[in-house]
Amino acid sequence: GENVEQHPSTLSVQEGDSAVIKCTYSDSASNYFPWYKQELGKRPQLIIDIRSNVGEKKDQRIAVTLNKTAKHFSLHITETQPEDSAVYFCAAGGGNQFYFGTGTSLTVIP
Amino acid sequence: DGGITQSPKYLFRKEGQNVTLSCEQNLNHDAMYWYRQDPGQGLRLIYYSQIVNDFQKGDIAEGYSVSREKKESFPLTVTSAQKNPTAFYLCASRSRGGRHEQFFGPGTRLTVL
Repeated sequence: GENVEQHPSTLSVQEGDSAVIKCTYSDSASNYFPWYKQELGKRPQLIIDIRSNVGEKKDQRIAVTLNKTAKHFSLHITETQPEDSAVYFCAAGGGNQFYFGTGTSLTVIP
Repeated sequence: DGGITQSPKYLFRKEGQNVTLSCEQNLNHDAMYWYRQDPGQGLRLIYYSQIVNDFQKGDIAEGYSVSREKKESFPLTVTSAQKNPTAFYLCASRSRGGRHEQFFGPGTRLTVL
């Protein structure tokens, strides 16, 4: 099956700086790559996703890039704010199943 | 937050007891999923169902069972065979056509006493 690795496990940035979280995947058949944000004790919520026929996607301060050849994809958050502090999960899959990374705990320091 | 609910929010179980976690959705989604979340391990798939009366095992199905008698409902039973059941359980659903996006319920935190 698919194996998704996510780095770093923790990340601290100053408010206003950028944050980058990276994931790799193993199954070349995966064609959908979502990113979820989970605040403490709450449900994961989709913040951005990308399909394998696209190399980059942006939504305001959030962007995701995908390199199919290298099998890695990254989340970029610019101009970070304290409310961006949360755990972020990447996932890879397509069809019936999705496989999640182990999460990155992002702390934005005011 | 999408019309998918889970109950109860917190559940305490004695060792040796079976417990059932509820998951209901009114999104008319065909597919439903159960994940287990442990600290530092992300979300791991327990079971999933693509259609009523059909379900498949995920990566960590041992000690769990499910049913899918109605499209709206996908209950998970944690049996006494599950040796380490204390965790946060998340249910999700998605439409089979078009978008892949999964919508998550608020979760159930199960603690074994």
